[in-house]
Amino acid sequence: AQSVTQLGSHVSVSEGALVLLRCNYSSSVPPYLFWYVQYPNQGLQLLLKYTSAATLVKGINGFEAEFKKSETSFHLTKPSAHMSDAAEYFCAVSDQGNTPLVFGKGTRLSVIA
Amino acid sequence: GAGVSQSPSNKVTEKGKDVELRCDPISGHTALYWYRQSLGQGLEFLIYFQGNSAPDKSGLPSDRFSAERTGGSVSTLTIQRTQQEDSAVYLCASSLMQGLASGELFFGEGSRLTVL
Repeated sequence: AQSVTQLGSHVSVSEGALVLLRCNYSSSVPPYLFWYVQYPNQGLQLLLKYTSAATLVKGINGFEAEFKKSETSFHLTKPSAHMSDAAEYFCAVSDQGNTPLVFGKGTRLSVIA
Repeated sequence: GAGVSQSPSNKVTEKGKDVELRCDPISGHTALYWYRQSLGQGLEFLIYFQGNSAPDKSGLPSDRFSAERTGGSVSTLTIQRTQQEDSAVYLCASSLMQGLASGELFFGEGSRLTVL
């Protein structure tokens, strides 16, 4: 069965600094991987997805993630944090897109001015 | 409507009472999911409906939980004899049939349940 581990329940960065949110997955078959973002008092929305095409995936708002099979990782990065990036970020996995998404416990990102 | 609609947005109930939570998915979306979001626990999968297929109920935590989807559209999640540990935000999401291949679940804003 697939699973996701997000390292760090809370990450704090300064405005303009690099954002790195870590995600490691476990899957018995090639996975589909996703990052979702939840802004305060809003529903979750898709940031980006990996579905076995390019290993470096670009998403909305300047975020990107790289699929590394050897490390079973799908870390989310953004070169320069903005105050509006403060939110909760969830990594999720599905076995080849055929099973319901399994989510990690989330990482809350705070951006300090 | 334009998005996934859930009601009520907030529900406070007493322990032992039954509650019903409603989800109205995006028109044309054949897949519908229920998740539970508890503080510090992330999103926990509950149940999944896909077209006319039998639902995947593997995530329901106990037999007090049930869900149905009428006419392939609106879904109702029912919790019987509520317990305090049922307090959480219940999220509904929908997607096109090949939703996961295309990569996007569309989430509602959730129903916050508080059991006193």
